[in-house]
Amino acid sequence: GENVEQHPSTLSVQEGDSAVIKCTYSDSASNYFPWYKQELGKGPQLIIDIRSNVGEKKDQRIAVTLNKTAKHFSLHITETQPEDSAVYFCAVTTGSARQLTFGSGTQLTVLP
Amino acid sequence: DAMVIQNPRYQVTQFGKPVTLSCSQTLNHNVMYWYQQKSSQAPKLLFHYYDKDFNNEADTPDNFQSRRPNTSFCFLDIRSPGLGDAAMYLCATSRGVQRDNEQFFGPGTRLTVL
Repeated sequence: GENVEQHPSTLSVQEGDSAVIKCTYSDSASNYFPWYKQELGKGPQLIIDIRSNVGEKKDQRIAVTLNKTAKHFSLHITETQPEDSAVYFCAVTTGSARQLTFGSGTQLTVLP
Repeated sequence: DAMVIQNPRYQVTQFGKPVTLSCSQTLNHNVMYWYQQKSSQAPKLLFHYYDKDFNNEADTPDNFQSRRPNTSFCFLDIRSPGLGDAAMYLCATSRGVQRDNEQFFGPGTRLTVL
């Protein structure tokens, strides 16, 4: 089955700096890669996703890059703000599957 | 504007006392999922429904059951909760159509077992 590894498990950055979280996956057939943000006591919220026919996608301060050859994808947050502090999960699935395989999560702390 | 609604948000039950958690959706999605999430861990899929077709994960304990009486509602029944079942329970939905498999999560129900 699919295996997803996420690094780092914790990340602290100064407000205004950039943050990068990386995930690697094992199944070369995977073709959908969402990122979720989960604030304390809340459900995960989809913040950005990318499909295998695209190498990069950007939405304001958030971007995701995908390297299908190396089987890894990364979340980039620029100009971080204290409200970006949360746990971030990457996930992977294939087009025919309905299940997501999640990474283990990254606790991001943005220091004021 | 709520799309995936979970009730209650907090549930306290006693050891061994059956409990039911509720999820409803206004998205008219085909698929509804139940996840268990323990502290500092990723969500763990328990089961999902594609329309009325029930799909159980191999390692989901028999103690956990689910019902989906219609498109909008899905219930999680825990027949005899143990202390180890204390967790956040998340409901999610997706259209389930190929290449359109974004999952949308509800706010979760925090279950405490005394």
